[in-house]
Amino acid sequence: GAVVSQHPSRVICKSGTSVKIECRSLDFQATTMFWYRQFPKQSLMLMATSNEGSKATYEQGVEKDKFLINHASLTLSTLTVTSAHPEDSSFYICSARATGEETQYFGPGTRLLVL
Amino acid sequence: LAKTTQPISMDSYEGQEVNITCSHNNIATNDYITWYQQFPSQGPRFIIQGYKTKVTNEVASLFIPADRKSSTLSLPRVSLSDTAVYYCLVVEGRRDDKIIFGKGTRLHILP
Repeated sequence: GAVVSQHPSRVICKSGTSVKIECRSLDFQATTMFWYRQFPKQSLMLMATSNEGSKATYEQGVEKDKFLINHASLTLSTLTVTSAHPEDSSFYICSARATGEETQYFGPGTRLLVL
Repeated sequence: LAKTTQPISMDSYEGQEVNITCSHNNIATNDYITWYQQFPSQGPRFIIQGYKTKVTNEVASLFIPADRKSSTLSLPRVSLSDTAVYYCLVVEGRRDDKIIFGKGTRLHILP
């Protein structure tokens, strides 16, 4: 199956700093990627849809100025958590689907801990 | 987006066949049924996808009745390593529609 990577796999930062997470589709092109957040013992919660070459579409309740998404190419989307606070500590997962296919593939996730 | 309902948790023993049923009463004509497996601190892993009848791969089988209002994921001869959360999703095919996850089924395999 298709491979999606994320970098870094885990990050610890101080409160108030910004953190960038990369999501790459390694062997296919994806015009659309998705960003999820998952808290312990809970399901994945969709944060936003990342569209190559255009603005991301955010789900209700997700602050677009806090979670900046850039989808600069067909294989890379980035999520920047700006001015991170401890409540932003979570597991962030991206996904992508090859154009014209039905299956969506997920990255391994990034564990963010804000101190 | 069609909503899915599946059991919160299930227990089984090693070597048994496990069937997890999911209901999706509002599934649309263009929707596909997809199952994912997730281990702790990992992203979901694609297991199987189908539109109707039966689909089988090296990992699992997916049974979909004619009305497509439900589906059953079948895991043959489970092992301890199959302990995970299993998500049943309904996705509109060939479009970049978002996927909304339900709570999933927490499967616990006992020795």
